[in-house]
Amino acid sequence: AAGVIQSPRHLIKEKRETATLKCYPIPRHDTVYWYQQGPGQDPQFLISFYEKMQSDKGSIPDRFSAQQFSDYHSELNMSSLELGDSALYFCASSGGDKKRGSQYFGPGTRLTVL
Amino acid sequence: QQQVKQSPQSLIVQKGGISIINCAYENTAFDYFPWYQQFPGKGPALLIAIRPDVSEKKEGRFTISFNKSAKQFSLHIMDSQPGDSATYFCAASGSYYGGATNKLIFGTGTLLAVQP
Repeated sequence: AAGVIQSPRHLIKEKRETATLKCYPIPRHDTVYWYQQGPGQDPQFLISFYEKMQSDKGSIPDRFSAQQFSDYHSELNMSSLELGDSALYFCASSGGDKKRGSQYFGPGTRLTVL
Repeated sequence: QQQVKQSPQSLIVQKGGISIINCAYENTAFDYFPWYQQFPGKGPALLIAIRPDVSEKKEGRFTISFNKSAKQFSLHIMDSQPGDSATYFCAASGSYYGGATNKLIFGTGTLLAVQP
């Protein structure tokens, strides 16, 4: 079965640079979520989109923005990167059936800020 | 403040034994409780999930027990195998049927080691 696709898988940036992470949800899923996971920590919700509209917002810095496009893929844009932004970034998708609560995670993007 | 509290932080079980991980929550608006398994450097994988209208759900070797009055739920892994060694996260969300409130709130995770 098709899974959530994330790109790139690894990204190395310098402080104050920008980064763009991409997420392709499972086909027919209409909701995308972004989570950030620091080393040894649990995933923290950043932002979500349902049918291309922002549906919820968590602890996402103002330096970050995201959107969902007409083909349902989503991009997380991160500017003025800081050392503390180094983490695993996961995208998850849900939808397509009654069990909308079921979120399926992608493999993640490991962002390293030097 | 951790909205979903998970224990133990780490767990060592012998092969063939039962692994038990517990979680507790405060927010009565939560109505969907999944468990995720995560290997190092990988994305969390959905194992099993439960809604508050049932007290137990079993899928293969994995069972969720849910106590609505106590606001607690637990994961039982029967016949634990070395391949089960991973970090397990419980989570909760506010809307099984989607919508703006169904972001997942995770517990702090349990590192399970199954010894051969």
